[in-house]
Amino acid sequence: AQSVTQPDIHITVSEGASLELRCNYSYGATPYLFWYVQSPGQGLQLLLKYFSGDTLVQGIKGFEAEFKRSQSSFNLRKPSVHWSDAAEYFCACGILESNFGNEKLTFGTGTRLTIIP
Amino acid sequence: DARVTQTPRHKVTEMGQEVTMRCQPILGHNTVFWYRQTMMQGLELLAYFRNRAPLDDSGMPKDRFSAEMPDATLATLKIQPSEPRDSAVYFCASGPWTGGGLDSPLHFGNGTRLTVT
Repeated sequence: AQSVTQPDIHITVSEGASLELRCNYSYGATPYLFWYVQSPGQGLQLLLKYFSGDTLVQGIKGFEAEFKRSQSSFNLRKPSVHWSDAAEYFCACGILESNFGNEKLTFGTGTRLTIIP
Repeated sequence: DARVTQTPRHKVTEMGQEVTMRCQPILGHNTVFWYRQTMMQGLELLAYFRNRAPLDDSGMPKDRFSAEMPDATLATLKIQPSEPRDSAVYFCASGPWTGGGLDSPLHFGNGTRLTVT
């Protein structure tokens, strides 16, 4: 079964500074990879996704992520964070279970991002 | 802007009582997921449906949980009897997925926060 690890539970960054959130996955083949963001009291919103092709993917709100097969990683980055980026960020991995035609997403435990002035 | 609607937003109940959570997926979305979010476990997949048929409910405690889709516009998650350990935020998500899988993002509702005392 696939698994997703987000090693950082909580990260604090100054407004305007760069950001990198780490995500590692475990799966035998190349999975589908996603980053979601959750604001307090809200559901999750998709930031970006990777399926194949260019390993650097651009998302909404100025975020990008890079897929590195050799490191089984899909880290999220932003060059300059804004106070409104404070939220919880979830990395997710999806696989297609070809025998049933099913698809499932497995989520990491999340990284809480705090922005300080 | 189409949204996944969950009701109620908050539910406080006593141990042993029945709890029913409802979800209205986005019109046209044929795949519906139920996730549970807790501090300890993060996001756990409980069950999901494709075209109203349950595909996987292996994440759900069978003795007390049940999930159904009476029609394409309503998904329900029921707990009977409820226990304090069921306290969590329950999210419904929907997607327009067909046999090719995960190429469209999941749309999450804002969740039902359940507290069982």
